[in-house]
Amino acid sequence: SQTIHQWPATLVQPVGSPLSLECTVEGTSNPNLYWYRQAAGRGLQLLFYSVGIGQISSEVPQNLSASRPQDRQFILSSKKLLLSDSGFYLCAWRGQAHNQPQHFGDGTRLSIL
Amino acid sequence: GNSVTQMEGPVTLSEEAFLTINCTYTATGYPSLFWYVQYPGEGLQLLLKATKADDKGSNKGFEATYRKETTSFHLEKGSVQVSDSAVYFCALYPPNTGNQFYFGTGTSLTVIP
Repeated sequence: SQTIHQWPATLVQPVGSPLSLECTVEGTSNPNLYWYRQAAGRGLQLLFYSVGIGQISSEVPQNLSASRPQDRQFILSSKKLLLSDSGFYLCAWRGQAHNQPQHFGDGTRLSIL
Repeated sequence: GNSVTQMEGPVTLSEEAFLTINCTYTATGYPSLFWYVQYPGEGLQLLLKATKADDKGSNKGFEATYRKETTSFHLEKGSVQVSDSAVYFCALYPPNTGNQFYFGTGTSLTVIP
């Protein structure tokens, strides 16, 4: 069966520090991968998605970036975090077949101090 | 364009009450429709889905029917439990328009004993 892993679960970082969040998927190949941010009590904001290795689409201009160095690995990064980057970050994957749902990881709670 | 409009929350119900959370959508073509549930501090879990008009998705006592004539996908449950307390998201996946999902803003449900 397919599984998705995100880490770390919780992260506290000072303003201006770098960021690296990792997401990996097991049990499937060539998934579509997504990064979302969820502010407290709010809906989902799509940040990036990828349909293949090295292929990244950005939905929101920001100081974050994403990379997909391997088929089932998706990384969210920043060189300098801002206070506004605080939130709950969710990774999701989806199979290529028609009508497939997205499947989410457990999320990373990021607090910027 | 593609969008999802969800009933504003929060919703508070007594245990064993009937639940309806309204969801309407705007989409190009014939989208697939989904309901997700998010428990506190966790990622989103797929609750149910429907891929064509008049389909009924069901899971764990929850149901939703894909109504193309009213562009709706309302979530219902006949008798809610305290354990159903969570945030519920309606989502759509439009065909042939890329790989994005479109999520509603979420509806928070609290069930009191």
